Amino acid sequence: EVQLLESGGGLVQPGGSLRLSCAASGFTFSSYAMSWVRQAPGKGLEWVSAIGASTYYADSVKGRFTISRDNSKNTLYLQMNSLRDEDTAVYFCAKDFGYHAFDIWGQGTMVTVSS
Amino acid sequence: EIVMTQSPATLSVSPGERATLSCRASQSVSTNLAWYQQKPGQAPRLLIYGASTRATGIPARFSGSGSGTDFTLTISSLQSEDFAVYYCQQYNNWPLTFGGGTKVEIK
Repeated sequence: EVQLLESGGGLVQPGGSLRLSCAASGFTFSSYAMSWVRQAPGKGLEWVSAIGASTYYADSVKGRFTISRDNSKNTLYLQMNSLRDEDTAVYFCAKDFGYHAFDIWGQGTMVTVSS
Repeated sequence: EIVMTQSPATLSVSPGERATLSCRASQSVSTNLAWYQQKPGQAPRLLIYGASTRATGIPARFSGSGSGTDFTLTISSLQSEDFAVYYCQQYNNWPLTFGGGTKVEIK
């Protein structure tokens, strides 16, 4: 079964850091680009970052977030630094099936930035 | 950044009726557009890519059309499981961007 499983969310103070992980199974992880997409409470979807041949970031996180992957562990990461209140959201990892659209999504992990 | 605008924000439809959702891009995205369905507490599900190609396992009552800046998702006969929020997404340019969503609710 194709699956993505996020972890690493939690409560963090403004200015703090957090690293999210996304464990992939059921497909050849190294062959696909991957993205992080977030959703603030009660709001819509916002693409955050992608990694494939290159890395890409939304302006709202550029310079603060870093996407990476370990193909030997089938795992995607998102290092989040200098966190702000507005980063509070459910963070989904998503598999890019070749068109920069997403055919497989994880269940999401909640990040809350609050003092 | 390409801005995606969806309308209406909320659509009230009776089961069995047809639903038509719109998505407009601030500049041409060719046919590099996807549609997703999201139910409360769940991850989004890919419905349509390439503006009109149904993803694997998506029922034929879902259809997409359009190119350039104007796109439509049509649900031909709404089933109970179709009441949800629908998002469009362009993947023609970085950054990737989503529309604000259309909530399809029971009339």
